[in-house]
Amino acid sequence: EPEVTQTPSHQVTQMGQEVILRCVPISNHLYFYWYRQILGQKVEFLVSFYNNEISEKSEIFDDQFSVERPDGSNFTLKIRSTKLEDSAMYFCASAGEAGQLQPQHFGDGTRLSIL
Amino acid sequence: DAKTTQPNSMESNEEEPVHLPCNHSTISGTDYIHWYRQLPSQGPEYVIHGLTSNVNNRMASLAIAEDRKSSTLILHRATLRDAAVYYCILIRRGGSNYKLTFGKGTLLTVNP
Repeated sequence: EPEVTQTPSHQVTQMGQEVILRCVPISNHLYFYWYRQILGQKVEFLVSFYNNEISEKSEIFDDQFSVERPDGSNFTLKIRSTKLEDSAMYFCASAGEAGQLQPQHFGDGTRLSIL
Repeated sequence: DAKTTQPNSMESNEEEPVHLPCNHSTISGTDYIHWYRQLPSQGPEYVIHGLTSNVNNRMASLAIAEDRKSSTLILHRATLRDAAVYYCILIRRGGSNYKLTFGKGTLLTVNP
């Protein structure tokens, strides 16, 4: 069964540094998402992406965050200047035709640790 | 968005059926009921969804009350691998993004 893959599985970064989290969604999917989960807390929506642009973003997704689909297969989340509070699991998800409420398929996440 | 209410935790024995309840008394007519689960150290995983009628798939069954104000996810024979946090999420038909809004969910413990 096709799956969403995320790399790296664990990223350790110094505060203030830029970090890029990478995702390879399922190949025929059209809708892409990033979520995060701070340890012990709920999974939180960050951003959705469709047709090469952001379709919705949450309050968490401020100017320090950006997303890109650079080559038609990868989907990346960039944090420009990381803060301690950015430490979390980051999950990428993809879905087919949302008009039919296709389920979202999640990767196993990248654990981001900010020192 | 309509809110869902789930018990914080439930316990079951292996190979027994499990009924996970969800209350959504303010559900609107265009809200679909989705269930996801999150196994330890993994990303969320889609389980099942429905609108009005009961639904079955290889993972579970979804029983929806006639007034749609509650639903129950049924695992017919729990296995140790079913130990996870189960989330009941409402998604409104007609939107374009279908972002998932996760609550705290129900932590299911399965005893051997």
